[in-house]
Amino acid sequence: QVQLVQSGPEVKEPGASVKLSCKASGYNFNSHWMHWVRQAPGQGLEWMGVINPNDGTTRYTQKFQGRVTLTSDTSTTTVYMEVRSLTSEDTAVYSCARDWSAMIDTKTTWWLDPWGQGTLVTVSS
Amino acid sequence: SSELTQDPAVSVALGQTVTVTCQGDSLRICYASWYQQKPGQAPIVVIYGKNSRPSGIPDRFSGSSSGNTASLTITGAQAEDEADYYCYCRDTSANSWIFGTGTKVTVL
Repeated sequence: QVQLVQSGPEVKEPGASVKLSCKASGYNFNSHWMHWVRQAPGQGLEWMGVINPNDGTTRYTQKFQGRVTLTSDTSTTTVYMEVRSLTSEDTAVYSCARDWSAMIDTKTTWWLDPWGQGTLVTVSS
Repeated sequence: SSELTQDPAVSVALGQTVTVTCQGDSLRICYASWYQQKPGQAPIVVIYGKNSRPSGIPDRFSGSSSGNTASLTITGAQAEDEADYYCYCRDTSANSWIFGTGTKVTVL
């Protein structure tokens, strides 16, 4: 079955970097873009960025541009996200999710399915 | 960049109908997808496209859209439907994607 398995929890000091992984299985890895979403404690879902594993094309929300890097390794069907210059405000659960899209009439729909189990990143001194 | 705005909270009596709305300019060119998130769990998609449900999602969940508003309706709400719900769409102004602000649905 389709699965996204993420790396384990991380504790980092302010100013450090963290690199998270998301291993995909059960489908053609190159056929779906992969998104990253985060959720701070008690807050809503925040879209961070997306990568096309096929050619490495990335897009980031402006808030994270320059501080977040997405990469992919097709040999291991794994996507990585590195976040640099961590602050306490980066304490959150980070999740990967597979992209789907379809054209319907004159509109497009996008949806995320499945999601990884999430990785808790705690930033604290 | 665009925003998708949702009411923070709604409540519904057990077995009754509740509608969660999502408003934003991006919805004029995008059919929103909707996510249910229960405490401590990853979100799951419940509606995508015009009104499509993934396998395993009960047919009491339905979606619709009009202009800049997307709606998720739960007809005959059950206790297990109590959760946070988020809409999701492309942010065409910023070449990125965005989530709605989220709605907490309480089943009384």
